[in-house]
Amino acid sequence: EAQVTQNPRYLITVTGKKLTVTCSQNMNHEYMSWYRQDPGLGLRQIYYSMNVEVTDKGDVPEGYKVSRKEKRNFPLILESPSPNQTSLYFCASSFEGRWGEQYFGPGTRLTVT
Amino acid sequence: KQEVTQIPAALSVPEGENLVLNCSFTDSAIYNLQWFRQDPGKGLTSLLLIQSSQREQTSGRLNASLDKSSGRSTLYIAASQPGDSATYLCAVRPWGNTPLVFGKGTRLSVIA
Repeated sequence: EAQVTQNPRYLITVTGKKLTVTCSQNMNHEYMSWYRQDPGLGLRQIYYSMNVEVTDKGDVPEGYKVSRKEKRNFPLILESPSPNQTSLYFCASSFEGRWGEQYFGPGTRLTVT
Repeated sequence: KQEVTQIPAALSVPEGENLVLNCSFTDSAIYNLQWFRQDPGKGLTSLLLIQSSQREQTSGRLNASLDKSSGRSTLYIAASQPGDSATYLCAVRPWGNTPLVFGKGTRLSVIA
């Protein structure tokens, strides 16, 4: 089944404790991205990647890192999480970013205390 | 900067009604427009993708139209069902190396 998977689905952590949210897709998509969704602010892009070893900042990259060492994986790293990073996070992928249909993962709900 | 607006923010209709959700965008220079459905606390499910050269797309009871020159798209849902209750999001892909721009969604409730 074609899908985007994220792990973990739920995470509660404390300020400053490094964490990684994994994202994997099995559709051989070139384009992958991370979004966060907050009430009243909607969905905002954090980082995106056009292909392996090619990443760039989205609208709200501060406090996040990403890497794209393999085509199928695009982990999101929070080196020192803060409470303002409490949010619902989505990974997405598509063929040829400008034309392709975006497929979203199920989401990761992160709480930073 | 591209902005996407969805009106209304919330809508409640009785089962069986046909309904229209609206999406407007400020810059007509787009590659495509995509409609998504999101259930509470869940991920986004792609419903329809319209390329900039297209006028409409249909899938089952759903029909999405695109009028790029006026910066508008509509999502038409025929014969609504309680299972259609969800938040519907519209997103545009602007020209250039820029991310999808999302509207804030319309929360639909279909009452049995």
